[in-house]
Amino acid sequence: DAGVIQSPRHEVTEMGQEVTLRCKPISGHNSLFWYRQTMMRGLELLIYFNNNVPIDDSGMPEDRFSAKMPNASFSTLKIQPSEPRDSAVYFCASHSGTGGGLTEAFFGQGTRLTVV
Amino acid sequence: QKEVEQNSGPLSVPEGAIASLNCTYSDRGSQSFFWYRQYSGKSPELIMFIYSNGDKEDGRFTAQLNKASQYVSLLIRDSQPSDSATYLCAVRVRFGNEKLTFGTGTRLTIIP
Repeated sequence: DAGVIQSPRHEVTEMGQEVTLRCKPISGHNSLFWYRQTMMRGLELLIYFNNNVPIDDSGMPEDRFSAKMPNASFSTLKIQPSEPRDSAVYFCASHSGTGGGLTEAFFGQGTRLTVV
Repeated sequence: QKEVEQNSGPLSVPEGAIASLNCTYSDRGSQSFFWYRQYSGKSPELIMFIYSNGDKEDGRFTAQLNKASQYVSLLIRDSQPSDSATYLCAVRVRFGNEKLTFGTGTRLTIIP
């Protein structure tokens, strides 16, 4: 398996523009997570899905952020409109959801977002 | 109080010595605990997990869990320069809830 695949790897956009980040989880994994990582705040969970259903979106910072998972093999995180403070590395992770909570989450390579 | 707290470091350890990384968590009901390693510019990767009180060893790595003190640690024996990275502690509150909460990480540097 190719692992969790994220695109794009790097994104530079102007303030006010819409940004869409994409994620393909590992085949067979039924839990998907979106994290944001900054130096100041570390790795923050934004939202996670189980069986394509959003379970916890309490980490989504505000209404400008939205996430979807239309099927088991694809998820998007959208920021509209983007602001400079959204600049961060965004990670997508997936895991199989079995094993009684002991399975590891596998991370994608991340998308480095810069909003200027 | 943050859900998962770590000393941000940096922590510098001579090559061959033992590196000790610490983590505390706020939810007493937390069930499973993970240590991830993240090299600069890379994504986190799992080193090991632990869910029972006591020690768990895997090669040069030992995870220690004390649920009464809400404390989990990672020991790295015979530290190597390749161990230089940021180490992230993560906590899963309960089995069946997949939410994984991370600490801010401790940056470890092994000095040759």
